[in-house]
Amino acid sequence: AQSVTQLGSHVSVSEGALVLLRCNYSSSVPPYLFWYVQYPNQGLQLLLKYTTGATLVKGINGFEAEFKKSETSFHLTKPSAHMSDAAEYFCAVSEGWNYGQNFVFGPGTRLSVLP
Amino acid sequence: NAGVTQTPKFQVLKTGQSMTLQCAQDMNHNSMYWYRQDPGMGLRLIYYSASEGTTDKGEVPNGYNVSRLNKREFSLRLESAAPSQTSVYFCASTASRRTDTQYFGPGTRLTVL
Repeated sequence: AQSVTQLGSHVSVSEGALVLLRCNYSSSVPPYLFWYVQYPNQGLQLLLKYTTGATLVKGINGFEAEFKKSETSFHLTKPSAHMSDAAEYFCAVSEGWNYGQNFVFGPGTRLSVLP
Repeated sequence: NAGVTQTPKFQVLKTGQSMTLQCAQDMNHNSMYWYRQDPGMGLRLIYYSASEGTTDKGEVPNGYNVSRLNKREFSLRLESAAPSQTSVYFCASTASRRTDTQYFGPGTRLTVL
């Protein structure tokens, strides 16, 4: 079964600093990968996703992620953090129906942005 | 479009009580899901419905039942609530393909005393 790990349950950065949130996955087939963001007391919303093609994916709010097959990673970055980026971030993998569920989420990383 | 809606937003139950969480989507999506979110555990799939008329168990189905009432609506029922079911519950939907984005509702915060 596929799995997703996110290194660091809580990451703190200063406003204007680089944001790096790590995601590694295990999958027996080429994965489709997603990053979601959850603001307090809200549901999840899509930041970006990788399906096929270019391995560097750009999303909303200045975030991007790079799919590295050799490292089984899909890390999320943003060059300059903003206070409004404070939220919880989830990495997810989609493999298809035959595995009994088609989305598996990582445990999440809470991002704090310090003034 | 309202997207994915859930009712109620908050609920407090006593152990042994039953309740149904309602979910509806207006995006003509084929697939719908119920997740629970607990601190440090991400989202865990309870049940999903790949298409109207089908439902399947996810990772943590025990203590829950679901009904795909029609293409729009997917309800989650707790027959006899337990404190371990205290959680935030999210409904989600997708068009159907693996590459499709999941759209989430705002969640239901459930406390079982």
